[in-house]
Amino acid sequence: KQEVTQIPAALSVPEGENLVLNCSFTDSAIYNLQWFRQDPGKGLTSLLLIQSSQREQTSGRLNASLDKSSGRSTLYIAASQPGDSATYLCAVLYNDYKLSFGAGTTVTVRA
Amino acid sequence: ETGVTQTPRHLVMGMTNKKSLKCEQHLGHNAMYWYKQSAKKPLELMFVYSLEERVENNSVPSRFSPECPNSSHLFLHLHTLQPEDSALYLCASSQAEGDGSPLHFGNGTRLTVT
Repeated sequence: KQEVTQIPAALSVPEGENLVLNCSFTDSAIYNLQWFRQDPGKGLTSLLLIQSSQREQTSGRLNASLDKSSGRSTLYIAASQPGDSATYLCAVLYNDYKLSFGAGTTVTVRA
Repeated sequence: ETGVTQTPRHLVMGMTNKKSLKCEQHLGHNAMYWYKQSAKKPLELMFVYSLEERVENNSVPSRFSPECPNSSHLFLHLHTLQPEDSALYLCASSQAEGDGSPLHFGNGTRLTVT
């Protein structure tokens, strides 16, 4: 089964601290991996998409890495702000074009 | 205006009601999707449409009935629902189905079944 796991389920940090969010997947035959942000009661907003041939992607304060061999991706958010409080979801698209989502990590950044 | 619009945003219905969820995408995409999001669980794919034809139905109970009249509109017709069907229902679209193109999501419909 192509499972995606995100640990921890919730995270609380003080403002200014760097955030490290983890995503692990069981099958290394992936096509791409996408990180999403979800605000309460809202849909998903795409943050970063990493193709299987890439090791990382960066956008502003966000950096996502991908290690297919170990089945892991990490999302780094530098110098966190209260506005970064949200749930972050990882989605893995496998080579058979099946998309699997993790359950998400809910982040709270305390002012 | 977001690329994918869902209505209504909130819906409360009894188990004997019939209601419909609507999704409209303004991105010129050819594939549309319905997902169910329950608390603390991963998103579950329900239905996939590509060029208005259903290409996937993930063992969804028949009380959920999708309809895709054209490539811009997607409906989810609901009848005789159960309380465990209460969830956030998300619509998404992509350029094509099965080519790895990224999904674009609507804001969802929060459904409560009483």
